Amino acid sequence: EVQLVQSGAEVKKPGESLKISCKGSGYSFTKYWIGWVRQMPGEGLEWMGIIYPGDSDTRYSPSFQGLVTISADKSTTTAYLQWSSLRASDTAMYYCARHCRSGYYLDAFDIWGQGTMVTVSS
Amino acid sequence: EIALVQSPGTLSLSPGERATLSCRASLNVSSTNLAWYQQKPGQAPRLLIYATSTRATGIPDRFSGSGSGTDFTLTITRLEHEDFAVYYCQQYVNSPRTFGQGTKVEIK
Repeated sequence: EVQLVQSGAEVKKPGESLKISCKGSGYSFTKYWIGWVRQMPGEGLEWMGIIYPGDSDTRYSPSFQGLVTISADKSTTTAYLQWSSLRASDTAMYYCARHCRSGYYLDAFDIWGQGTMVTVSS
Repeated sequence: EIALVQSPGTLSLSPGERATLSCRASLNVSSTNLAWYQQKPGQAPRLLIYATSTRATGIPDRFSGSGSGTDFTLTITRLEHEDFAVYYCQQYVNSPRTFGQGTKVEIK
């Protein structure tokens, strides 16, 4: 079964760092782009960026460039989203999701993780 | 950045009725690069349609997509109880990919 399993909910203080994970299984991890999508409480979906685990080619939305880092580890088939200094406005649900087709840069997301809720509060 | 505007914001319908959801893009979106997702409360989004009109695996044929250029439509021919949810369109013709703000389909 193809699946993405994300790490658990996090509660952090402003200024702290955080790295959340997304483990892929059941498919060739290095051959599919994986992306991250933010959903703030009660709001819609925002595309943050994508990574191709095969060569770590990464693309960011301008809205998130410099604010987060997307990475992937081929050896553990895991993608990551990290912050060096969290803000209260980072409070949201974060989903990882995989592109439909192997190697396709322009594609929809067909497999989604269950989401990781990040709460940032003093 | 391509902006996607969905209408209506909320659609109030009864089971068995037809739902027509609209997604309008600020620039031309290739018909191969438009998708629709369904999201229920507390769940991750689910891909329904990609490339404007291709149903994803396991999606029933009461869901269909159409359109080209800047105007796209998701149609649900006969609403079933499990279809009441929020629906998002997404373009993936360029970066950043963008989503519409969503249409909520609620029970009348």
